[in-house]
Amino acid sequence: NAGVMQNPRHLVRRRGQEARLRCSPMKGHSHVYWYRQLPEEGLKFMVYLQKENIIDESGMPKERFSAEFPKEGPSILRIQQVVRGDSAAYFCASSPPTGERTEAFFGQGTRLTVV
Amino acid sequence: AQTVTQSQPEMSVQEAETVTLSCTYDTSENNYYLFWYKQPPSRQMILVIRQEAYKQQNATENRFSVNFQKAAKSFSLKISDSQLGDTAMYFCAFMASNTGKLIFGQGTTLQVKP
Repeated sequence: NAGVMQNPRHLVRRRGQEARLRCSPMKGHSHVYWYRQLPEEGLKFMVYLQKENIIDESGMPKERFSAEFPKEGPSILRIQQVVRGDSAAYFCASSPPTGERTEAFFGQGTRLTVV
Repeated sequence: AQTVTQSQPEMSVQEAETVTLSCTYDTSENNYYLFWYKQPPSRQMILVIRQEAYKQQNATENRFSVNFQKAAKSFSLKISDSQLGDTAMYFCAFMASNTGKLIFGQGTTLQVKP
């Protein structure tokens, strides 16, 4: 049973470009969470999605950031017109669809560098 | 809103010694879970230990144990017989019951010295 898969592991973008980060949850998991980790800081919650639904986006910046989790395929975190301050590690976690969601399984993260 | 505070940015310990990392949290929830995650240089988030708030007994996983003081909203991690491989950043985290959403502290960098 493969774990949470994120790709790419490293992504370099020039200022003003778009960044797309992908997350495939663990098999059987239908809940996905995105977190951002700035240098020397803890992880900060961004968004919580179920298949085709955004459940909680209270941690998402109001502009340039969006997330989706389509019926088929991975969850995508999209950052438009990237700026230097977007440089960070972005982690995805998943949890099962039923019963107690009492644990989150993390991917290895995507390191975004904006140059 | 829930908050998690780790007041020790850096800690060090000699190999084979014991070290305790501190964590306090604030919440009005009754049902919740607390976690300690380890983040080595690879940046992978590794679950170290988990505590259910409704359980009075402190969780233990091999060399790792917690001191959970619910009334004081304190959740410290004790690492016994420290090993060089324990060198990492450690994060305390809170999860309200059945949400799956984690609130993290700022982290404590632990250095185990030979």
